Amino acid sequence: GESVGLHLPTLSVQEGDNSIINCAYSNSASDYFIWYKQESGKGPQFIIDIRSNMDKRQGQRVTVLLNKTVKHLSLQIAATQPGDSAVYFCAVPKAGGGNKLTFGTGTQLKVEL
Amino acid sequence: GAGVSQSPRYKVAKRGQDVALRCDPISGHVSLFWYQQALGQGPEFLTYFQNEAQLDKSGLPSDRFFAERPEGSVSTLKIQRTQQEDSAVYLCASSLSLADEQFFGPGTRLTVL
Repeated sequence: GESVGLHLPTLSVQEGDNSIINCAYSNSASDYFIWYKQESGKGPQFIIDIRSNMDKRQGQRVTVLLNKTVKHLSLQIAATQPGDSAVYFCAVPKAGGGNKLTFGTGTQLKVEL
Repeated sequence: GAGVSQSPRYKVAKRGQDVALRCDPISGHVSLFWYQQALGQGPEFLTYFQNEAQLDKSGLPSDRFFAERPEGSVSTLKIQRTQQEDSAVYLCASSLSLADEQFFGPGTRLTVL
């Protein structure tokens, strides 16, 4: 089955710096990947997604990179702001359809002023 | 517009009590998902509905957990004879269809004493 893992439980960055959050997945058949942001006391919020036919996708201040060879994806946040402080999860749909998501354990991003 | 809402936001139950958690999805969203999020972990899939049909309940931890969506809109997650290990945040998400982005509610934090 699927599993996802994150390399670091906590990431501290200075305001204005770029942040990189990493995620590894186990199922080479996974074809869709999603990044979520979860602020304290709130539900996860969709940030950006990427399909397996792409290596890179850009949004507003965020970029997701997918390396299918090593089953790794990363979320890059440019010019990190205090409002970016949150827990970030990568997620992949479980096998068997239905868009049931498997989430990683999350990385806590702390932005220092 | 209104997002996914959940009630109550916080619930404290004594061990052995039954609880009912409510989810109001975004109007018109056909798919509805329930996830359980333990402290410091990512959400774990419990069950999902397509309209009123419960298509997958493979993630429900035990037969004490029961979910329903009788009219294809509001859903209730019921936990009978609560145990301390049931303490978690219960998240509800809805999507326009199975393939679409899931929008999460704020969750219900259940504490079993």
